[in-house]
Amino acid sequence: TQLLEQSPQFLSIQEGENLTVYCNSSSVFSSLQWYRQEPGEGPVLLVTVVTGGEVKKLKRLTFQFGDARKDSSLHITAAQTGDTGLYLCAGVGNAGNMLTFGGGTRLMVKP
Amino acid sequence: SQTIHQWPATLVQPVGSPLSLECTVEGTSNPNLYWYRQAAGRGLQLLFYSVGIGQISSEVPQNLSASRPQDRQFILSSKKLLLSDSGFYLCAWSVRGGTSGIPTTEQYFGPGTRLTVT
Repeated sequence: TQLLEQSPQFLSIQEGENLTVYCNSSSVFSSLQWYRQEPGEGPVLLVTVVTGGEVKKLKRLTFQFGDARKDSSLHITAAQTGDTGLYLCAGVGNAGNMLTFGGGTRLMVKP
Repeated sequence: SQTIHQWPATLVQPVGSPLSLECTVEGTSNPNLYWYRQAAGRGLQLLFYSVGIGQISSEVPQNLSASRPQDRQFILSSKKLLLSDSGFYLCAWSVRGGTSGIPTTEQYFGPGTRLTVT
């Protein structure tokens, strides 16, 4: 069974601060996705990283896939209150149609 | 554009009662469909997935079942709810990629159903 561990589970920061969320596994994934979820809503896909060592930027968000495709990180620069939410990483197995989700990181950005 | 609907949005049911949650997708054909359960503020647990009408795979043995009576309809059911069935249920779809039948990996989620078993 492939498992993904996210850290930290909870993060409370002030607006303007930087933060990094980690997603780690002992298994190799063909690709990895990051989702953001608002309370009472379904997760929304932010990015998919496919190649080991790949870095993708989405405005103030930087996503990196580990060289061995076992881990990933999400870095947010100058966090805003609108970044508040639950961030989920999900690994794609070799079959390609199944996602294994991490436990999530709940981010609270205070004004 | 594609849309995914779930209903009801919220549900309060007593222990031992039956359950039926419905999910429908519009704007796409022959999607892969998924049911997930999410504990409060935590990750998603895959319950069932379907690659076609009448084709259901179960990931977690439990008192829930799923059915896909139509291409774009996915139903989650239970004959007798348990307290532990409480949670946030999410339906998702993904596109079957190309002619090879290999599904793409991006999944698109519905708004969810909040189920409370009392």
